[in-house]
Amino acid sequence: KQEVTQIPAALSVPEGENLVLNCSFTDSAIYNLQWFRQDPGKGLTSLLLIQSSQREQTSGRLNASLDKSSGRSTLYIAASQPGDSATYLCAVRQSGGSNYKLTFGKGTLLTVNP
Amino acid sequence: DAGVIQSPRHEVTEMGQEVTLRCKPISGHNSLFWYRQTMMRGLELLIYFNNNVPIDDSGMPEDRFSAKMPNASFSTLKIQPSEPRDSAVYFCASSRGGAITEAFFGQGTRLTVV
Repeated sequence: KQEVTQIPAALSVPEGENLVLNCSFTDSAIYNLQWFRQDPGKGLTSLLLIQSSQREQTSGRLNASLDKSSGRSTLYIAASQPGDSATYLCAVRQSGGSNYKLTFGKGTLLTVNP
Repeated sequence: DAGVIQSPRHEVTEMGQEVTLRCKPISGHNSLFWYRQTMMRGLELLIYFNNNVPIDDSGMPEDRFSAKMPNASFSTLKIQPSEPRDSAVYFCASSRGGAITEAFFGQGTRLTVV
């Protein structure tokens, strides 16, 4: 059974700092990994999707890396801003058969202080 | 595109009542997921449909829960009878199909059973 772990559970940083969020998964047989952002009381917004054959994806100040063999992904946020405060979730899409379900970690709650 | 649309946004009901949550996936998407989010357990997959057919319902808690997808543009999740422990945020998500595509989430339905 796939298990996804995110460390740390919470992180508080001053504005302008670069930071890294970590995600690990137990079964490396995945199609892809997706990072989401969730604001309080809101739905999930997709940030980045990394296919299993890729090493990284970039969008603006965000960079996500994937090391499938070791079961790890990181989300790097450059020059953090108060507007980046949210919960960040990673999810892996299992490979094998026709079941394409996403398995989520419990998230990292990020607070960027002005 | 309006994105994944869920209704209602909030639902408060008394224990024992029937609750029906609704979801309209993004047009052209043929995979649909129902998730439940709680503080304790995070995001849990309840059921996954592909081309309107349930592929994985192993996350449906018990017989009180049922889900249908009568056509490509509509799905329901029904709880009957509802219990206080069903209180959670229920999310619907869709993707274009296949393993490599991005999943998009609705805004969720916050269910409170009193």
